[in-house]
Order: sequence, then C-alpha cells, then structure tokens
Amino acid sequence: EDKVVQSPLSLVVHEGDTVTLNCSYEVTNFRSLLWYKQEKKAPTFLFMLTSSGIEKKSGRLSSILDKKELSSILNITATQTGDSAIYLCAVLSNSGYALNFGKGTSLLVTP
Amino acid sequence: DSGVTQTPKHLITATGQRVTLRCSPRSGDLSVYWYQQSLDQGLQFLIQYYNGEERAKGNILERFSAQQFPDLHSELNLSSLELGDSALYFCASSVGASGTDTQYFGPGTRLTVL
Repeated sequence: EDKVVQSPLSLVVHEGDTVTLNCSYEVTNFRSLLWYKQEKKAPTFLFMLTSSGIEKKSGRLSSILDKKELSSILNITATQTGDSAIYLCAVLSNSGYALNFGKGTSLLVTP
Repeated sequence: DSGVTQTPKHLITATGQRVTLRCSPRSGDLSVYWYQQSLDQGLQFLIQYYNGEERAKGNILERFSAQQFPDLHSELNLSSLELGDSALYFCASSVGASGTDTQYFGPGTRLTVL
C-alpha cells in the first residue's frame, strides 16, 4: 500500500526563521510529488516535482525531490505570519489517477 | 479563489440521514475528484470522474456514491450517515484525466453528523 509520511507533524517558529518540512514516500511506480498549502479552507497548489535534484522556487518557498531517498523537502525562508498553515505533501503513482496525501505539517509562525 | 465551487458550505444532519454535496469544476476542467478530510485520517481520495464517467475509486464506502452530469458538475451522495462521517469534503478539478494535471480544490463542505 502506498504511504506518504510528513514530518514534523507540527512546528512553531518566530517570524524571520527558516523552516524545512519533510515528506517521505513509499509508492509503486512513482510519477510525481506535489506540495499544497492549506489555510482555513481549500488546499492551494504550490509545487509539482517530477525529476530528482531540480529545485522549484516561488518567492521564499522552494522544494526539491530526492528520488534515491524517496523524499522531498519544502523550505520556507524568512517566514511570515501569513505562512501559518498546514502544508500537505501528496504523491501520484503511475498506477493511480488521484493523489495520495500525507497527514500534513502544521506550521505556526509567531510575531 | 480556485474557480471550483462547492455547496453547501456547512451541513448539519442526524445519523441515518442522507445528504448530497454539490461541486462545480473550473471552467474547462473535465475531471472532478472527491476527497474526505478528517482529523485522524487526513485528506483521503474518494472517487474521480472524467467527462461524466467514473475514472478511479479510492477509499469510498458503499454508502457513498457520486456522479458527474453532462454539464460536468458533480454530486456526492452520502447515505445512512454515521457520526464518523463528520468531516470536510473537498472537490477538486483538473483539465484532463491524468493525475499529473494540477488539481484545484474547492472551499469544501463541512459535514457534521449528530
């Protein structure tokens, strides 16, 4: 059975800190890994990673995939209170059409 | 705003009842996915429809069913409701049938079963 594990479960940091969120997976026939940010409501798409070692960047957020280690990290630099959210990692395998989500990392950025 | 709409926002009902959740995908999207999010289980895929036909099935209970109509909106029917069905139900849409197309999530319907 496919498995996606995120760590830590929860994180509290001060504004300005840098955080690293982890996602590891065990899936048959991996296709891609996605990161979503969920605030009060719907998850919003951040990144899709397919190739190992290629960093995707959007402002202060960046993510990279390591297919050898079956994992990905999401980095947020110079955190702001608006970064407070649950960050979800999801994996898509070739055998499926839908996303297999981890339980998320809850990030709280305090002023 | 993702362009995916879901109604109602909140739903409170009693055990044993039946409810229908509705989703309208983004304009141009042919795929609709349904997910259930509960505190202990996280976000779980239920079912996918593509252009009116069922495409993939996840952890969907037999008491639950869905369909996608010719205008591409979708409904998720939950029957014989139990307390454990209380959750946030999300609909997502994407352009094609493949999971590699980015899925855009609606705001969700919060279901509370009393």
